[in-house]
Amino acid sequence: GAGVSQSPSNKVTEKGKDVELRCDPISGHTALYWYRQRLGQGLEFLIYFQGNSAPDKSGLPSDRFSAERTGESVSTLTIQRTQQEDSAVYLCASSLREEGYTEQFFGPGTRLTVL
Amino acid sequence: AQKVTQAQTEISVVEKEDVTLDCVYETRDTTYYLFWYKQPPSGELVFLIRRNSFDEQNEISGRYSWNFQKSTSSFNFTITASQVVDSAVYFCALSEPAFTYNQGGKLIFGQGTELSVKP
Repeated sequence: GAGVSQSPSNKVTEKGKDVELRCDPISGHTALYWYRQRLGQGLEFLIYFQGNSAPDKSGLPSDRFSAERTGESVSTLTIQRTQQEDSAVYLCASSLREEGYTEQFFGPGTRLTVL
Repeated sequence: AQKVTQAQTEISVVEKEDVTLDCVYETRDTTYYLFWYKQPPSGELVFLIRRNSFDEQNEISGRYSWNFQKSTSSFNFTITASQVVDSAVYFCALSEPAFTYNQGGKLIFGQGTELSVKP
């Protein structure tokens, strides 16, 4: 079946502009995660959604970052007033919520470049 | 706090050599999960293995093997007879337990080891 998809695949923006990144999880996956990967670095957790529960926003680096998810479908990550340090690949993952662990399936990412 | 350390930033080997990628983790949880992911040049993360903290048996899958030692908080990954297609960045990750509905099981990643296998 279809995997996690993300759009756009690449985004170039000017400093100070707002951007929206989209994630379509695997159908039926109740959990959705956003991660950020800076050049040459590992992935940093940003936010987690599970059903209608309040999201875990503990990884969001500043109040310029926000994310929404409607039910168990599409999620949008919004970065307001982008800064050059926001340049990174933003990865989305989804998983079936299973007892004890979550096996996360990752999308191809959106490469964001802030000029 | 949870932390994953991959001390090897880059490794370069010649095809058919064996190579071991090191991973050391820190956690106060008694139940946790460890993962390895491969990130080829295309960028997409590929799941390789999951291991829970109660299972210290080593695992072998083809040319890949994993050595989990709780005594040293290590989860090392060995590729036997490496091939050019093994060239990628490899990430070790740690997951908090996710026994309640609201626990996310978010992954804590190491910085990655870039493996280059030359013909």
